[in-house]
Amino acid sequence: QSVLIQPPSASGTPGQRVTISCSGSTSNFGSYTVNWYQHLPGTAPRLLIYNNNQRPSWVPDRFSGSKSGTSASLAISGLQSEDAADYHCAAWDDSLNGVLFGGGTKVTVL
Amino acid sequence: QVQLQESGPRLVKSSETLALTCTVSGASIRNEYWNWIRQPPGKGLEWVGYIHFTGSTKYTPSLKGRVTISVDTSKNQFSLKLSSVTAADTALYYCARSRYSGNDYDVFDYWGRGTLVSVSS
Repeated sequence: QSVLIQPPSASGTPGQRVTISCSGSTSNFGSYTVNWYQHLPGTAPRLLIYNNNQRPSWVPDRFSGSKSGTSASLAISGLQSEDAADYHCAAWDDSLNGVLFGGGTKVTVL
Repeated sequence: QVQLQESGPRLVKSSETLALTCTVSGASIRNEYWNWIRQPPGKGLEWVGYIHFTGSTKYTPSLKGRVTISVDTSKNQFSLKLSSVTAADTALYYCARSRYSGNDYDVFDYWGRGTLVSVSS
């Protein structure tokens, strides 16, 4: 089964830059764009990045996304305490004929 | 402001049918696509499937045969039914709206807060 691989955790101090990777395959990232979601437990997940690098209007420009080949990444610049959350990558997958999510990365602000 | 709210029983017995409803406010269910996504305890998110108000559906292969998503345009709601549940179906269930990305309807721009459904033996 196709999977998107994310590191389970990442951390940084306030003001630092944190990068989260998401590794896919030709059946997903090879043909399709990647989206990122931020999730604080107990709340509704929210769309953070869509179509690889586009930000919804409610997302600050500290968040940025990129994709190259079968890998994607999310960067958080100027890390803030409210950025402590789980981050999930996702993409359409041909093998699944549906949306595939990564396992999620828990970001801790030290 | 678009809001989604999941509702339904929090406890379901093994082999029975899980049934949840998502009530949409601030948007018409006749626009975009409407999804169910779940997250088992300690695991990642899993897309369950989506529906369009015309009744067109798509489901994840691992649940095909057990899952049905339906829509009620008069109530601006859509629903999930998952039959023959087991402990593996215990999860936080989210409803979400998705819009077209250029690939398919895979950009989830609004989500509910989720409801935890436990399957008991």
